[in-house]
Amino acid sequence: QKEVEQDPGPLSVPEGAIVSLNCTYSNSAFQYFMWYRQYSRKGPELLMYTYSSGNKEDGRFTAQVDKSSKYISLFIRDSQPSDSATYLCANQGAQKLVFGQGTRLTINP
Amino acid sequence: DVKVTQSSRYLVKRTGEKVFLECVQDMDHENMFWYRQDPGLGLRLIYFSYDVKMKEKGDIPEGYSVSREKKERFSLILESASTSQTSMYLCASDTRGGYNEQFFGPGTRLTVL
Repeated sequence: QKEVEQDPGPLSVPEGAIVSLNCTYSNSAFQYFMWYRQYSRKGPELLMYTYSSGNKEDGRFTAQVDKSSKYISLFIRDSQPSDSATYLCANQGAQKLVFGQGTRLTINP
Repeated sequence: DVKVTQSSRYLVKRTGEKVFLECVQDMDHENMFWYRQDPGLGLRLIYFSYDVKMKEKGDIPEGYSVSREKKERFSLILESASTSQTSMYLCASDTRGGYNEQFFGPGTRLTVL
């Protein structure tokens, strides 16, 4: 079993829709949980991170961590075509990140 | 503007060739990483380095080696390239301790024929 599991999609939704991206993880030692966004032909960039359980909001983006069920979510409200990218969840273990497979998201105008 | 640069965006090599991928960061980061990215498999860690001349194996080190002679530079070496090493290679760096945002380079698309 991979340490971090993420549905690779692809996921295609209309502009304005609410998008939910999800990951599960197996290592209860993980403390930091991150979402990276990767545009086509670019390297990943950090979008958001949370520490331990709870919610964190940044504009149209909300990251949610439930450590009891080892479940990580990213919600995008009022999705825009510019949100089209691959989204990677990542957990930080001992000095290195463990990434999910990435979900390719397309927002259709 | 922080930066991680990689020597090539696209590279085409033949089976058996020795291949060097170079990565340079200008953020004075202690840690540097090499990943490969394949569809459906996500980012997989090949090697990482905590300091100059230090290296640690990641999850898929077979067929690769690395070199870190200077703090800002981390090289990935394919001793004898194979078609199975056709992939996107991403370099990243971060700083030591606590939570670390990793900064990535733009990637090198390597094709081995």
